Amino acid sequence: EAGVVQSPRYKIIEKKQPVAFWCNPISGHNTLYWYLQNLGQGPELLIRYENEEAVDDSQLPKDRFSAERLKGVDSTLKIQPAELGDSAVYLCASSLNGELFFGEGSRLTVL
Amino acid sequence: EDKVVQSPLSLVVHEGDTVTLNCSYEVTNFRSLLWYKQEKKAPTFLFMLTSSGIEKKSGRLSSILDKKELFSILNITATQTGDSAIYLCAVEATGNQFYFGTGTSLTVIP
Repeated sequence: EAGVVQSPRYKIIEKKQPVAFWCNPISGHNTLYWYLQNLGQGPELLIRYENEEAVDDSQLPKDRFSAERLKGVDSTLKIQPAELGDSAVYLCASSLNGELFFGEGSRLTVL
Repeated sequence: EDKVVQSPLSLVVHEGDTVTLNCSYEVTNFRSLLWYKQEKKAPTFLFMLTSSGIEKKSGRLSSILDKKELFSILNITATQTGDSAIYLCAVEATGNQFYFGTGTSLTVIP
């Protein structure tokens, strides 16, 4: 069974440019999460979906970040415009029965 | 405010040593506590603990939960260089919410 798939694995952009990350969760997992992880820190929740509904986006900086999960399966996280401080790893995860499965992450570097 | 606190933040040991990593939590509507190992990629699942006092074991790793005192420990015996990683503790609350600690960075020196 395929795990959580994310792309791209790495992205380098200049500040003020847009960037988008894609995530395909494990089949059958209705709950999808986007986390931000800075070096030396634990994952911090950006947004959580139950099917196509964003049920917790309180930590998402909505002035520049947006996310969607239109058909309740794969999801896209967008940053526009990117800032230097957005450099981090963006982790997607999905859960079933209390177990959280992570993708490989998308490492963003903003120059 | 719900929170998960891990200690120590970092640890350096020699191969063969035994280490104990700590995780304390204050989370309402607790459902389970999970341990993950993170090398230079995504966190990988180690243990899920839901009941107090029942040790979970996998090879040289073991973990136990104390729901009265609100903490868990992760033990690694006879450490190897391959155990070098960040160990994350997470608590699941009802409603599919997960709260993470900052992690413990373990370095095992040959």
